[in-house]
Amino acid sequence: DVKVTQSSRYLVKRTGEKVFLECVQDMDHENMFWYRQDPGLGLRLIYFSYDVKMKEKGDIPEGYSVSREKKERFSLILESASTNQTSMYLCASSLSSIGGNTIYFGEGSWLTVV
Amino acid sequence: AQSVTQLGSHVSVSEGALVLLRCNYSSSVPPYLFWYVQYPNQGLQLLLKYTSAATLVKGINGFEAEFKKSETSFHLTKPSAHMSDAAEYFCAVSLYTGGFKTIFGAGTRLFVKA
Repeated sequence: DVKVTQSSRYLVKRTGEKVFLECVQDMDHENMFWYRQDPGLGLRLIYFSYDVKMKEKGDIPEGYSVSREKKERFSLILESASTNQTSMYLCASSLSSIGGNTIYFGEGSWLTVV
Repeated sequence: AQSVTQLGSHVSVSEGALVLLRCNYSSSVPPYLFWYVQYPNQGLQLLLKYTSAATLVKGINGFEAEFKKSETSFHLTKPSAHMSDAAEYFCAVSLYTGGFKTIFGAGTRLFVKA
């Protein structure tokens, strides 16, 4: 089974702090994603990566950056956390960019910014 | 614009009753369609997907969905609800827009009453 592991399930950070959310997948998938999930808004794509050191902006990239130095690892960075970034963050991966590929999700990281 | 609409943010059924969760999509080309489920405090996992083979797709836990091109719908059903089906369900569409992109609906939370 594919496993996507998010290192932190629950975090509380202060406004202005730099926050790192780490994600590792164990199935040699090409694509990795970071989504944000908020009630009533579904999943919104922040960034995705289709290869090492490659990244593409999603629908809501403002205030975020990402890093993919190794194929299995994709990090989300909040340069200066703000209260409106309090949310559930989901990391995901898929085999490739071919249509119909299943997206595999981690268990999520609940971030509270105070 | 390509989109996915889930009708009803909350659906409540009695245990043993039919489950029907509605999903409509807008696309000018045949899409790939998915249903994902999210149990409390977990990430999303695939229930089933349509990839242009049979229009009636069977998934895990007794769920199935039917692709109806004329209605641009992909509704999810289960003949008899179980308490363990209580979760949030997301419809998603994968479309080619220069590369394949997956768009998620806002989600429908299913409540199952004893």
